[in-house]
Amino acid sequence: TAGITQAPTSQILAAGRSMTLRCTQDMRHNAMYWYRQDLGLGLRLIHYSNTAGTTGKGEVPDGYSVSRANTDDFPLTLASAVPSQTSVYFCASSDSKGGTDTQYFGPGTRLTVL
Amino acid sequence: GQNIDQPTEMTATEGAIVQINCTYQTSGFNGLFWYQQHAGEAPTFLSYNVLDGLEEKGRFSSFLSRSKGYSYLLLKELQMKDSASYLCAVRDGDYKLSFGAGTTVTVRA
Repeated sequence: TAGITQAPTSQILAAGRSMTLRCTQDMRHNAMYWYRQDLGLGLRLIHYSNTAGTTGKGEVPDGYSVSRANTDDFPLTLASAVPSQTSVYFCASSDSKGGTDTQYFGPGTRLTVL
Repeated sequence: GQNIDQPTEMTATEGAIVQINCTYQTSGFNGLFWYQQHAGEAPTFLSYNVLDGLEEKGRFSSFLSRSKGYSYLLLKELQMKDSASYLCAVRDGDYKLSFGAGTTVTVRA
């Protein structure tokens, strides 16, 4: 199975431009997450969605927006990119209806904002 | 906020044992996870502890003491492929995961 896919793999973006990072999962997990990973800081939660139609803010939500129109897709949008948003972005999903609710991660998108 | 501490780097010899410690202070506790992340790749799930004690899974074991806010990941019979970053993550009272900065383990021949 594909699990979680993210697109693009990498991107160089001019400051001030907008961009949408795509994330799709085929595991029918109800919860999805967006993290950014920066050297020395670890993974930090940007936004999350516990179920289709709902979203919530994480630790570092400013400058980002998300939507969850269906179970499978959870896009992350940067409305006007700034250099501090240069990072590696990981999407994750989990099945919070039972078990350990372990989060599984996509391969990541490496974004550089110039 | 949450506070999760783990060493930045560790080095060990192939075939040896390495123990990666993690201490945490969080608002509530709903489980502790360990992930492995090779350079340039996604984190992959290794282990989960929610009750005190040791969980063993092949060459990897994870221990939890909730009263001490402490966990460790034990890697036995180290192999070169175990060179990676190991992430400690705690699920808090709001059911959100907070991650430590990660411990980079280098295995030398």
